[in-house]
Amino acid sequence: NAGVMQNPRHLVRRRGQEARLRCSPMKGHSHVYWYRQLPEEGLKFMVYLQKENIIDESGMPKERFSAEFPKEGPSILRIQQVVRGDSAAYFCASSLPGQAGYNEQFFGPGTRLTVL
Amino acid sequence: AQSVTQLDSQVPVFEEAPVELRCNYSSSVSVYLFWYVQYPNQGLQLLLKYLSGSTLVKGINGFEAEFNKSQTSFHLRKPSVHISDTAEYFCAVSTNAGGTSYGKLTFGQGTILTVHP
Repeated sequence: NAGVMQNPRHLVRRRGQEARLRCSPMKGHSHVYWYRQLPEEGLKFMVYLQKENIIDESGMPKERFSAEFPKEGPSILRIQQVVRGDSAAYFCASSLPGQAGYNEQFFGPGTRLTVL
Repeated sequence: AQSVTQLDSQVPVFEEAPVELRCNYSSSVSVYLFWYVQYPNQGLQLLLKYLSGSTLVKGINGFEAEFNKSQTSFHLRKPSVHISDTAEYFCAVSTNAGGTSYGKLTFGQGTILTVHP
């Protein structure tokens, strides 16, 4: 069973461009979480999705950021008009359905976004 | 809302010495507690978790942690560390109270453990 996959692993964008980060959860996992790790900081929750639904987006910046988890295909975190402050490592995690706080979240290797 | 404080940002230790990484949390509801390890340029790997029951939890790689409800702590320990334990360690909590915050992890700032030969 392959683990959580994220691509690209490294992404370089210029200010004002768009960044698309992809996450394929583990097989059978229908819950996806996105976290952001800024330099010298811990991980901060961004958004929690189930298939075709956003359950909790309380950690998402109000502007420029969006996330989806379609019925088919990977989850996408989209950042429009990137700024230097968006430079960070973005981690995706997935878990089994059920009690989401109870089930282990499996993390992907992350996408490291650099905004020039 | 819950919060997690890791009291030490860096912990240097010599190989084969014991180590304790400290974690305190605050929450108005019952929580689940986790320790993750992150090696350079990699994702997070679960070391151990406390859900309920025995307050002493054993994890992978010889690590263990003890849940202390009265002190709201969940310190991570290993009796004898190896060079390969050098990594960053994160304490995290999630709530089991239900609702839309259900499932999200709140992380501490991380503790960098450096094991010297």
